[in-house]
Amino acid sequence: DAEITQSPRHKITETGRQVTLACHQTWNHNNMFWYRQDLGHGLRLIHYSYGVQDTNKGEVSDGYSVSRSNTEDLPLTLESAASSQTSVYFCASSEGTADQPQHFGDGTRLSIL
Amino acid sequence: QKEVEQNSGPLSVPEGAIASLNCTYSDRGSQSFFWYRQYSGKSPELIMFIYSNGDKEDGRFTAQLNKASQYVSLLIRDSQPSDSATYLCAVNQVNDMRFGAGTRLTVKP
Repeated sequence: DAEITQSPRHKITETGRQVTLACHQTWNHNNMFWYRQDLGHGLRLIHYSYGVQDTNKGEVSDGYSVSRSNTEDLPLTLESAASSQTSVYFCASSEGTADQPQHFGDGTRLSIL
Repeated sequence: QKEVEQNSGPLSVPEGAIASLNCTYSDRGSQSFFWYRQYSGKSPELIMFIYSNGDKEDGRFTAQLNKASQYVSLLIRDSQPSDSATYLCAVNQVNDMRFGAGTRLTVKP
């Protein structure tokens, strides 16, 4: 069955370190998204991609970057981790146009000390 | 500021009752609307989506959309304890999916 996989599921790191979260989908979806979820804020869009070599900034993109070298993967990099980036991160994908339903991975819980 | 607003709850209903979850949005150009269910510690899962004004039914779930009032709702009939979760409203606003903060629903046996 097609799926979307995030790794690691949990990570603890220190401020100032570079961190990369992986997202891999086998749906063959063109569209991929990264969100963070914090209490009281719901899901907030960090970056998104509509295809290979395409990346776009979302609502809360500062301090994050993504790259899309193939259809299946959209890794999220925190250039220099800050305590404010402690959160649960979700990757999602969707097919067709941007207004289609999104399918979510299981999430990565990231703690920055 | 483009926003999606939900009552944070918690909303508590007895088993077998109808649960009504509401969502308002600010961008009049929004065209697609989604309801996701999220159990504690889990990822959001899609329950319903609706694109046109009116009602859309799927089993015990009914989504209602009123674009003139910028309002979308989710009704859950015959609520079950397994429906206890946080329900997220999402609105697509020109290539930018915006989520509400969610409403926590508790169904009491």
